[in-house]
Amino acid sequence: RKEVEQDPGPFNVPEGATVAFNCTYSNSASQSFFWYRQDCRKEPKLLMSVYSSGNEDGRFTAQLNRASQYISLLIRDSKLSDSATYLCVVNNPSGGYQKVTFGTGTKLQVIP
Amino acid sequence: SAVISQKPSRDICQRGTSLTIQCQVDSQVTMMFWYRQQPGQSLTLIATANQGSEATYESGFVIDKFPISRPNLTFSTLTVSNMSPEDSSIYLCSATLARGRSEAFFGQGTRLTVV
Repeated sequence: RKEVEQDPGPFNVPEGATVAFNCTYSNSASQSFFWYRQDCRKEPKLLMSVYSSGNEDGRFTAQLNRASQYISLLIRDSKLSDSATYLCVVNNPSGGYQKVTFGTGTKLQVIP
Repeated sequence: SAVISQKPSRDICQRGTSLTIQCQVDSQVTMMFWYRQQPGQSLTLIATANQGSEATYESGFVIDKFPISRPNLTFSTLTVSNMSPEDSSIYLCSATLARGRSEAFFGQGTRLTVV
């Protein structure tokens, strides 16, 4: 089983739609969680951290379920500019430091 | 936050040669990492760059092929040695500022093509 698993997509959604991505992780000792966004031919950039209580940033909502070991990202009112690959990222303790593990990414295409 | 400068941004190299990629961070960081991202794939961790000591390599990556230096807290290099076309990829430097819940920052990447 991969350490971090995501549905690779692609998700093709119309503008204005709501879309949700899920991500599962295998290490129950994982300590912190993030969603990154990667545009084509660009480096990944942090979209938002994911907290146990859930957090919202504008049209984006992230949830963490530690019991089931999954993370979700909800995007409301999709914009064309949301088209990108969304990477689930998990930090695991490893030998005294944090090891950052990336999921394979979920590709989103928002269609006019 | 941190700004990471990575260079070169791209290069085309002959097989059998080596390329050294440099990564400079503008903040005091705790951890520095090197990743590879092949076309259409996610990021694969090559190694953790340790200050003043040998890097910690992930399974499938070895020091002879990917020697890494980190002489101080804010600078690291990755060398891709004896290159073959299979090494064509994007190489990304990353850093975290603090232990625990710190996000990772990335350089712009080095797009390497081996011919």
